[in-house]
Amino acid sequence: GAVVSQHPSWVICKSGTSVKIECRSLDFQATTMFWYRQFPKQSLMLMATSNEGSKATYEQGVEKDKFLINHASLTLSTLTVTSAHPEDSSFYICSARDETSKWSYNEQFFGPGTRLTVL
Amino acid sequence: RKEVEQDPGPFNVPEGATVAFNCTYSNSASQSFFWYRQDCRKEPKLLMSVYSSGNEDGRFTAQLNRASQYISLLIRDSKLSDSATYLCVVNPDRGSTLGRLYFGRGTQLTVWP
Repeated sequence: GAVVSQHPSWVICKSGTSVKIECRSLDFQATTMFWYRQFPKQSLMLMATSNEGSKATYEQGVEKDKFLINHASLTLSTLTVTSAHPEDSSFYICSARDETSKWSYNEQFFGPGTRLTVL
Repeated sequence: RKEVEQDPGPFNVPEGATVAFNCTYSNSASQSFFWYRQDCRKEPKLLMSVYSSGNEDGRFTAQLNRASQYISLLIRDSKLSDSATYLCVVNPDRGSTLGRLYFGRGTQLTVWP
């Protein structure tokens, strides 16, 4: 299957700083990527849809000024958590579809996730 | 109300057992349904799509009841390697290729020898 990478895999930062997380599709191009957040023992929650070359679409209740998304190329989307606070500590995970694949166009491939801890 | 509801378990079963997971979804316009598997501290991976007519993949059988907005997954002849969290997943967008997914919180399965 297609491969999606994320960087960094974990990050610890001080309260008030901003953290950028990268999501890359390694062997396919993705016009659309998705960002999720998962708190312990909770479900993955869709935060936003990242659209190449245009603004991201945020789910209800997700602050777009807090979670900045940039999808500048067909293989890279970034999520920046601005002015992070301890309540932002979570597991952030991205996904993408290989829309050109005959076999797996409907399957979403997930990155390995980024564990963010805000002190 | 959550979009996708699942019994979190845990389910602890011996090898060879048959186990069933259930899930309900709230948006009747939902078009696509999936079961994903997530191992501890790893990313989710697609186990199987769920079709209206029901579908089977080896030891795994998925069923969809649109009238009841209910999805199920049956695992027969459980293996130790089946131990994981099983996620019920719904694409809520009718007629769209957008690909948004809503996840249930997952059902944890442990298969013991």
